[in-house]
Amino acid sequence: AQTVTQSQPEMSVQEAETVTLSCTYDTSESDYYLFWYKQPPSRQMILVIRQEAYKQQNATENRFSVNFQKAAKSFSLKISDSQLGDAAMYFCAYGDPRQGGSEKLVFGKGTKLTVNP
Amino acid sequence: DTAVSQTPKYLVTQMGNDKSIKCEQNLGHDTMYWYKQDSKKFLKIMFSYNNKELIINETVPNRFSPKSPDKAHLNLHINSLELGDSAVYFCASSQDPRESNEKLFFGSGTQLSVL
Repeated sequence: AQTVTQSQPEMSVQEAETVTLSCTYDTSESDYYLFWYKQPPSRQMILVIRQEAYKQQNATENRFSVNFQKAAKSFSLKISDSQLGDAAMYFCAYGDPRQGGSEKLVFGKGTKLTVNP
Repeated sequence: DTAVSQTPKYLVTQMGNDKSIKCEQNLGHDTMYWYKQDSKKFLKIMFSYNNKELIINETVPNRFSPKSPDKAHLNLHINSLELGDSAVYFCASSQDPRESNEKLFFGSGTQLSVL
């Protein structure tokens, strides 16, 4: 079974600085997706960034970028120019597309990010 | 206009009761899901339906019964509620995961508290 590990339960960063959240996963599949989701206190799950395993190029979305190392099964999230609104729980997730047209996401336990003014 | 909406947002009930949580998506997606987030924030899939057909059924007590009357709705009925059922339940939807832009859209969650 696939597993996702986030080794940092909590992280903090100064406003305008850069922070990197770690994620490793375990799978025997070659084709899969990886995600970072943000959950602010409002509880809403918000997709931050998505990476297809077959793509070597790291995904970027504005201030958010990933460092995807497929051989090492590592998928870290870098947040540049951190803003107060970035404070949230961040979940790394592994997606396994299935023949039946359904997708099971396996989540890590989350990293709580605090942004200090 | 909310993409994935679930009701109620909060549900407080006594042990032993039966309750339902409703979910609707207006994205035209084929697949819908229920996820459970426990008190430690750990999110785990419970069920998924594709075009009203059950696809994923993780190890969930049979007191939990999903029902999909059509592909835009996936309701979750829970019988004989137990203290351990207290959690936040998230509904989600997606199109075909084989699509290149596939992603999950989540509802805002239902916080269930069993007393």
